Amino acid sequence: QSVLTQPPSVSGAPGQRVTISCTGSSSNIGAGYDVHWYQQVTGTAPKLLIFGHNNRPSGVPDRFSGSKSGTSASLAISGLQAEDEADYHCQSYDRSLGGSGVFGGGTKLTVL
Amino acid sequence: QVQLQQWGAGLLKPSETLSLTCAVYGGSFSGYFWTWIRQTPGKGLEWIGDINQSGSTIYKPSLRSRVTISVDTSNNQFSLKLTALTAADTAVYYCARRRGNSYPYYFDYWGQGTVVSVSS
Repeated sequence: QSVLTQPPSVSGAPGQRVTISCTGSSSNIGAGYDVHWYQQVTGTAPKLLIFGHNNRPSGVPDRFSGSKSGTSASLAISGLQAEDEADYHCQSYDRSLGGSGVFGGGTKLTVL
Repeated sequence: QVQLQQWGAGLLKPSETLSLTCAVYGGSFSGYFWTWIRQTPGKGLEWIGDINQSGSTIYKPSLRSRVTISVDTSNNQFSLKLTALTAADTAVYYCARRRGNSYPYYFDYWGQGTVVSVSS
């Protein structure tokens, strides 16, 4: 029961493009707050993937991109590679909850 | 290169107090807020609270009565204490560096995580 809703799992074949959705409400994404994305390989800490308006930290390939519309956001991964198999988490801010941020429940990406 | 290294007891009993410390290596310690986040299988990632080098803190409201985050600027470390533990506090706890000038902040460097299990 996370504030931001993500699909539990998505999958795609190498080379394909996949998208992961993050659905919020009028008190978070719909209020205009940015959405950040993290990648978490099994057994490791989350790694910042996308921040702000589709910004990538140094070293993150441009195959990863973020977008936002209304009360939802999406992470797109193009040219899917085996190394992309991981959990992906979205994060934003909810003005009714305060604090530094709220997260989605995470989405497991399987590369077929 | 900024590195966060964390440590603390991982097996605790109900009603006990969790105590974790995170050391920051490389980069600047001042000028940032430092954060604790936990991850449970059922609830995903959950922000716990932040602190800066001056000791200013902000906590998640639902945890505020049980959480204390403190800072040791002389050693570039910050710590988490969570009291009155229950099984619901079982999680992997991470320390992280907070970035951004406005909401929503983001977290660009993370510790390796500490598995905390609360069981009698």
